[in-house]
Amino acid sequence: DAGITQSPRHKVTETGTPVTLRCHQTENHRYMYWYRQDPGHGLRLIHYSYGVKDTDKGEVSDGYSVSRSKTEDFLLTLESATSSQTSVYFCAISLGQNYGYTFGSGTRLTVV
Amino acid sequence: QQQVKQSPQSLIVQKGGISIINCAYENTAFDYFPWYQQFPGKGPALLIAIRPDVSEKKEGRFTISFNKSAKQFSLHIMDSQPGDSATYFCAASGSSGETSGSRLTFGEGTQLTVNP
Repeated sequence: DAGITQSPRHKVTETGTPVTLRCHQTENHRYMYWYRQDPGHGLRLIHYSYGVKDTDKGEVSDGYSVSRSKTEDFLLTLESATSSQTSVYFCAISLGQNYGYTFGSGTRLTVV
Repeated sequence: QQQVKQSPQSLIVQKGGISIINCAYENTAFDYFPWYQQFPGKGPALLIAIRPDVSEKKEGRFTISFNKSAKQFSLHIMDSQPGDSATYFCAASGSSGETSGSRLTFGEGTQLTVNP
């Protein structure tokens, strides 16, 4: 999607290894979010950021950490990947309250 | 804790028919209700949204109906087309402070198939 890119698009990793997913925006939006999408669960919030170095947990944050050192970049790290973290991960950006999200194209992560 | 319940899980409609997807929420502090459309291999895209001060919003063939007292809202797709075949998500958020922005809680999604 225009203004927001995720990398990598696909990744296969082994159980126990650390993994970092990157979200990059060119829209200068204050708010950034990481969601995971799983069948039957919709989209669930992992972590979000409301400014540089300002982050907070979502509903499924265990096993994940995030960092935002610049407005444009929001990194999601799986500290020690497990099979339950096999999922499609979406980054989203927003201007703020009661504004819609713009989503990236997603990263399909498989933990074997 | 699932705060937004969406139904049905899947829906098959004939071309030209009306597609209806329903959502119910629990948190009375929610005040923004968007719908997202997702095609395979793509991220969700904002389709239409409503705030609780109105009971209906229409954009082209897409209409949101909102019932505040019942804590329910629904998406109606009129004259459904094969190109509408996608996954649809309802969502909700409330004004919970500047630091949380518009934290959206999503429904489970509905897989819509429109047969030609």
